[in-house]
Amino acid sequence: GQQVMQIPQYQHVQEGEDFTTYCNSSTTLSNIQWYKQRPGGHPVFLIQLVKSGEVKKQKRLTFQFGEAKKNSSLHITATQTTDVGTYFCAGQRQAGTALIFGKGTTLSVSS
Amino acid sequence: SQTIHQWPATLVQPVGSPLSLECTVEGTSNPNLYWYRQAAGRGLQLLFYSVGIGQISSEVPQNLSASRPQDRQFILSSKKLLLSDSGFYLCAWRRNDRGDEQYFGPGTRLTVT
Repeated sequence: GQQVMQIPQYQHVQEGEDFTTYCNSSTTLSNIQWYKQRPGGHPVFLIQLVKSGEVKKQKRLTFQFGEAKKNSSLHITATQTTDVGTYFCAGQRQAGTALIFGKGTTLSVSS
Repeated sequence: SQTIHQWPATLVQPVGSPLSLECTVEGTSNPNLYWYRQAAGRGLQLLFYSVGIGQISSEVPQNLSASRPQDRQFILSSKKLLLSDSGFYLCAWRRNDRGDEQYFGPGTRLTVT
């Protein structure tokens, strides 16, 4: 079946360093979404990418969707302790169908 | 605005006991509803989803079941819990008329002893 792979599984950085998590699908996606789950909390929607090659920014966060619509990345510039949590990508083969979640990347930040 | 509620927040149940987790959504109508399980702080496993009252699709065969007796109510049940049922259960909703993002409830932490 369709899979969404996410790497790395864990990442520890010093505050101020950059961080990137990568997401790869075995099949072409209609769109990809990113969620953040703080420790002890529930996933919260961050953004959705739909177009091939799309790049979106939210303050220090940059999201990219690959040209082939099979991969995506989330890059955080100058991490802060508030960035701690697990970041999930989730893809849809077709709009309106169930999301396929990656296993997430857990980010820890030391000050 | 829309809100999603789940209860209880935490639950400790013995093996073999029944389970009933409830999820309700406010501020929207005819949402798509989802039950996920997250084991040991890791990935999200889709268990069930519903596009309308009485319509349930199961993604993973197991000893759990789901029901949607009302438009904005989604219930996860089990007749006899297993140790492997322990985890963090999350309910989520999504508009079925526009947008694909999902909104998650606060979750229920279930420990089966």
